[in-house]
Amino acid sequence: DTEVTQTPKHLVMGMTNKKSLKCEQHMGHRAMYWYKQKAKKPPELMFVYSYEKLSINESVPSRFSPECPNSSLLNLHLHALQPEDSALYLCASSQGASGGVYNEQFFGPGTRLTVL
Amino acid sequence: AQSVTQLDSQVPVFEEAPVELRCNYSSSVSVYLFWYVQYPNQGLQLLLKYLSGSTLVESINGFEAEFNKSQTSFHLRKPSVHISDTAEYFCAVGRNNAGNMLTFGGGTRLMVKP
Repeated sequence: DTEVTQTPKHLVMGMTNKKSLKCEQHMGHRAMYWYKQKAKKPPELMFVYSYEKLSINESVPSRFSPECPNSSLLNLHLHALQPEDSALYLCASSQGASGGVYNEQFFGPGTRLTVL
Repeated sequence: AQSVTQLDSQVPVFEEAPVELRCNYSSSVSVYLFWYVQYPNQGLQLLLKYLSGSTLVESINGFEAEFNKSQTSFHLRKPSVHISDTAEYFCAVGRNNAGNMLTFGGGTRLMVKP
């Protein structure tokens, strides 16, 4: 299995809602990533998990809360979002995220989020 | 620090014509270079990559890119484009430091016209 899957494909939520995005991979990768992509812009890194521990948080607001329950699964919990948070949220995974050798990232198809 | 510059935000081209999408990078360390393609309303797909070895890399659908260390470039080329190649193309540089991070260029929208 060489896929990264993301659910749901589309999500519409109000500013007072709580929702979660899910990402899964079964390639045995030990690093997982969340990116945010606004229309006509490149992806921006949000979080990196390495061996199920948060290793990088790119100054993301606390209304976004990542969680890595096990090495195959990565969640992004959303609460009290703003309309400007509407974007495509991409998940990626790689064999590792430590120094020495670059490990290629494999991307999922994304969740398109609309905040009303 | 690393940066990636894609010199053209849009490239219109007629079907069956050749195309070149330009990418320049700056980095003080060894680089790993990638081209990703994003079709409308879809996620990112890896098109091709340079990690080491031969400086000319090819994809299965006719694209190629050449790593030029002296010019710090990794331009993407295709000798004859199809309508189905219409998409956003992102050049990216990977770092092998902690975090295994990718730095993306701003993207180039390839628009193939009949």
